[in-house]
Amino acid sequence: QSVLTQPPSVSAAPGQKVTISCSGSSSNIGNNYVSWYRQLPGTAPKLLIYDNDKRPSGIPDRFSGSKSGTSATLGITGLQTEDEADYYCGTWENSLSAGQVFGGGTKLTVL
Amino acid sequence: QVQLRESGPGLVKASETLSLTCTVSGGSINNNNYYWGWIRQPPGKGLEWIGSIYYSGSTYYNPSLKSRVTISEDTSKNQFSLRLSSVTAADTAMYFCARHIRRDSSGSVRNWFDPWGQGTLVIVSS
Repeated sequence: QSVLTQPPSVSAAPGQKVTISCSGSSSNIGNNYVSWYRQLPGTAPKLLIYDNDKRPSGIPDRFSGSKSGTSATLGITGLQTEDEADYYCGTWENSLSAGQVFGGGTKLTVL
Repeated sequence: QVQLRESGPGLVKASETLSLTCTVSGGSINNNNYYWGWIRQPPGKGLEWIGSIYYSGSTYYNPSLKSRVTISEDTSKNQFSLRLSSVTAADTAMYFCARHIRRDSSGSVRNWFDPWGQGTLVIVSS
């Protein structure tokens, strides 16, 4: 059971937009910054978003992040077949179980 | 461009100690801007942070693994290492190393992992 809750799966057609939610609490998302990662099949995760809404160099602006209260959202527009992957959110947990925590991951299927 | 590569045995016997090394190229681990971390992923499951080490040698560990984990560094070789003791089948996973950026910002923690190594699969056998 992950500290951060993501939907197990989402799907959309090529060219469409999809959002992936990440729900936490005041001890994690509510007071810290969120990052997002994409993991293509058989590869290592790759950073997509940091500091809630910032894109590293080389990440296209089709990818966006936002945070409100104790939840965060990853948005992907202009879906491409190569976007089919697992997506993870992450943040810092402030409670007695302090440390980096990740969501359980969301499998994006591009129909 | 910083690159990381994990190395170590792919098979470890239950009750023994798992040992992995991450070799960093393209940048020094002796850098006060970064931590260096380990993350694992059991087959078909999600990501679990194991712990991170700062250039000074200070460490953060996942509380659920803390009693079994040691992360250390060798700045002369530009490497950092993971030791996980008393392993069981539940420790079978892909193990990744990554550069860990962590900043305290007005009481909030900014942190992310970038880049990641390709990962190494460790199987715990009985």
